[in-house]
Amino acid sequence: EPEVTQTPSHQVTQMGQEVILRCVPISNHLYFYWYRQILGQKVEFLVSFYNNEISEKSEIFDDQFSVERPDGSNFTLKIRSTKLEDSAMYFCASRDGRLTDTQYFGPGTRLTVL
Amino acid sequence: AQTVTQSQPEMSVQEAETVTLSCTYDTSESDYYLFWYKQPPSRQMILVIRQEAYKQQNATENRFSVNFQKAAKSFSLKISDSQLGDAAMYFCAYRSALGDMRFGAGTRLTVKP
Repeated sequence: EPEVTQTPSHQVTQMGQEVILRCVPISNHLYFYWYRQILGQKVEFLVSFYNNEISEKSEIFDDQFSVERPDGSNFTLKIRSTKLEDSAMYFCASRDGRLTDTQYFGPGTRLTVL
Repeated sequence: AQTVTQSQPEMSVQEAETVTLSCTYDTSESDYYLFWYKQPPSRQMILVIRQEAYKQQNATENRFSVNFQKAAKSFSLKISDSQLGDAAMYFCAYRSALGDMRFGAGTRLTVKP
């Protein structure tokens, strides 16, 4: 069964460094998403991406964040200058574009900012 | 903005028994989708069940079923014949026809042997 994959599973970085989190959505999917979950808290929406552009973003998704689909398979989230409070689990999700379709989540990347 | 409320931070059930997790939501939209996701200790998000708001029939997936009350904006999850592997955080989620997902705060389910 096709699934969303994410790399790395765990990323440790120093405050102020740039990180890129990678996702490979399910191949025929058209809509892509990033979410984050701070430890012990609920999952929060960051951004949605369709047709090579951001379709919606939350107030969390400020200028430090950017997303890109550099080729036909990868979908990346970049954090330019990480802060301690960026430590969280980051989930990528995708869906195929039918209005009724479900978002399928990847296994997540645990980001630790020291 | 849509909000999703899970009023039970923690629930406990005896193995083989039935438990119901509550979820309410607030929306002015008529077309939307509701989901329950399971998050085990590995923290992966696993889809348990989904419900389209235009469908009156409650969704069922094996031991998992929902009680969808559209007028009351309620979407509870019933787990029958609970198993040890059901222990996890359960998140209720709302998605509008075109938008992103909004999650509740989660309910931690413990299954006692």
